[in-house]
Amino acid sequence: AQRVTQPEKLLSVFKGAPVELKCNYSYSGSPELFWYVQYSRQRLQLLLRHISRESIKGFTADLNKGETSFHLKKPFAQEEDSAMYYCALSDRSYIPTFGRGTSLIVHP
Amino acid sequence: DAGVIQSPRHEVTEMGQEVTLRCKPISGHNSLFWYRQTMMRGLELLIYFNNNVPIDDSGMPEDRFSAKMPNASFSTLKIQPSEPRDSAVYFCASGPGTGELFFGEGSRLTVL
Repeated sequence: AQRVTQPEKLLSVFKGAPVELKCNYSYSGSPELFWYVQYSRQRLQLLLRHISRESIKGFTADLNKGETSFHLKKPFAQEEDSAMYYCALSDRSYIPTFGRGTSLIVHP
Repeated sequence: DAGVIQSPRHEVTEMGQEVTLRCKPISGHNSLFWYRQTMMRGLELLIYFNNNVPIDDSGMPEDRFSAKMPNASFSTLKIQPSEPRDSAVYFCASGPGTGELFFGEGSRLTVL
């Protein structure tokens, strides 16, 4: 069975500091991985997906098949990055499994 | 497109009452998902529809929960009878079959 693990429930940093939100997965096939973001009391929205290899709002994520990880990184955190971040894995049927989420707080 | 539309946005009810949550997916999307979000468990998949047919309802917690999708533009999630532990935010999401999901704004349920 597929599983997504986000080991940190809460990550607290100061503005300008680097950020890394961890995501590890377990899946027997070729995974498709996503990061979703949920700002306070808003709907979840897609931040980025690994196949697009984009940088969105300064965030990047690289799929590391050897370490089965898909960590989300940003070199300089901003206060507006404070949100809940969910890592998700889609199987061949496109049914996503979400991690429990990491709450990122960026202090001024 | 207005995106996925859920109603009601907020529902406060008493234990034992029936609760019905509604969802209108994005037109043209063939997949629909119901999720429950709590502080303790994060996002839990309750049920998944493909082309209006329930495919996987293994996440539905108990018989008190039921979901229907009578047509491509409407789905309901019903809880009868409701209990305080059902208090959560319930999200509906639809997808075009690419793996990406589009979420509604959620229905915040409080059962007293």
